[in-house]
Amino acid sequence: KAGVTQTPRYLIKTRGQQVTLSCSPISGHRSVSWYQQTPGQGLQFLFEYFSETQRNKGNFPGRFSGRQFSNSRSEMNVSTLELGDSALYLCASSLSLAEAGELFFGEGSRLTVL
Amino acid sequence: QKEVEQNSGPLSVPEGAIASLNCTYSDRGSQSFFWYRQYSGKSPELIMSIYSNGDKEDGRFTAQLNKASQYVSLLIRDSQPSDSATYLCAGANTGNQFYFGTGTSLTVIP
Repeated sequence: KAGVTQTPRYLIKTRGQQVTLSCSPISGHRSVSWYQQTPGQGLQFLFEYFSETQRNKGNFPGRFSGRQFSNSRSEMNVSTLELGDSALYLCASSLSLAEAGELFFGEGSRLTVL
Repeated sequence: QKEVEQNSGPLSVPEGAIASLNCTYSDRGSQSFFWYRQYSGKSPELIMSIYSNGDKEDGRFTAQLNKASQYVSLLIRDSQPSDSATYLCAGANTGNQFYFGTGTSLTVIP
């Protein structure tokens, strides 16, 4: 059974650019959550999608957005990149709603903003 | 106030000892709690979940939950060098959001 797949694994952008990250959940999983991980702040919740609907959103500015497609694949977008957006972005999928189920994480997309 | 607070450590224990990792949470209505392990350069993986007051044992791992004190802990018995990792406490609050602590770094010394 394939795990959670995130692409790209590494990317470098400059300030002001925008980036789109992709996440393919485990087959059959309908919930996809996104997290930002930095050394100082740990894992911070960005948002969760379930059946193409955003269920929850963390405390991030509107520059961070996401969506989920009918096949449960999800994308997140960050516009007008800032230096502070440099982080590891982790996607996690779960069979049911995230708070009730086990989260399976992808390898992450490491974003560097110069 | 963070939803989940952990002592960042680092925590060092000798091989074979018991490692004790602790976590407190702020939302008294939170119902479910999880411990994830993250090896350096890897993604978090679930090792324990606990929903009721008391202890839950799984092999060398025991999770403890005390809702009155809003306290969650993880005990690792017979610690092995392969247990060296960062341990993340996580919970789901009444807003149905899933929050992680900043993690406790554990080193098991051979």
